[in-house]
Amino acid sequence: NAGVMQNPRHLVRRRGQEARLRCSPVKGHSHVYWYRQLPEEGLKFMVYLQKENIIDESGMPKERFSAEFPKEGPSILRIQQVVRGDSAAYFCASSPLRDRNSGNTIYFGEGSWLTVV
Amino acid sequence: GDSVTQMEGPVTLSEEAFLTINCTYTATGYPSLFWYVQYPGEGLQLLLKATKADDKGSNKGFEATYRKETTSFHLEKGSVQVSDSAVYFCALRSNFGNEKLTFGTGTRLTIIP
Repeated sequence: NAGVMQNPRHLVRRRGQEARLRCSPVKGHSHVYWYRQLPEEGLKFMVYLQKENIIDESGMPKERFSAEFPKEGPSILRIQQVVRGDSAAYFCASSPLRDRNSGNTIYFGEGSWLTVV
Repeated sequence: GDSVTQMEGPVTLSEEAFLTINCTYTATGYPSLFWYVQYPGEGLQLLLKATKADDKGSNKGFEATYRKETTSFHLEKGSVQVSDSAVYFCALRSNFGNEKLTFGTGTRLTIIP
């Protein structure tokens, strides 16, 4: 998976708690993407970030979900007041700034599996 | 907007059978096309890709050819193994900027000995 690191791999939260998922992109990659995979379903795009900027959040639920990618440190996907329907696998991916030499592949992490009980 | 339509699963084949998983797309311009594979309990791994028309991506015995005229990128393998059992996702990405990947719904493949 070309070095995208996600943690925690597995997270259990009670309804109403907060979940924080972290993603460290491949070294040198400036673009981060978050996807959600509900049980037995495909991957749904959530948000695309560059350092300190949200570029596209068209897939983010309007409430309780937020994401950031600070100048220093990992990208964070934060889910407040979790509900059972938030139980899913959350995948982070990264890519370099696109140029002639960087190619166009997006690399995925191993995922964080959130279970809300 | 961009979209990917994948053959619905699940697909069950016997070992050494021939595999085809269909994928067609709708996109503006000429995107890059990808196949990703997800083994049980794991993340997504890039299986192969093609960046322009008539390109053929190949890896681990799998192949897919970028067909602009039919807007397709079907995945094929001549002789599947039990270890190929996984979920396969077709995806596209615009060749401009740093746009996101758009995925198909995934096809679950099970190979029986």
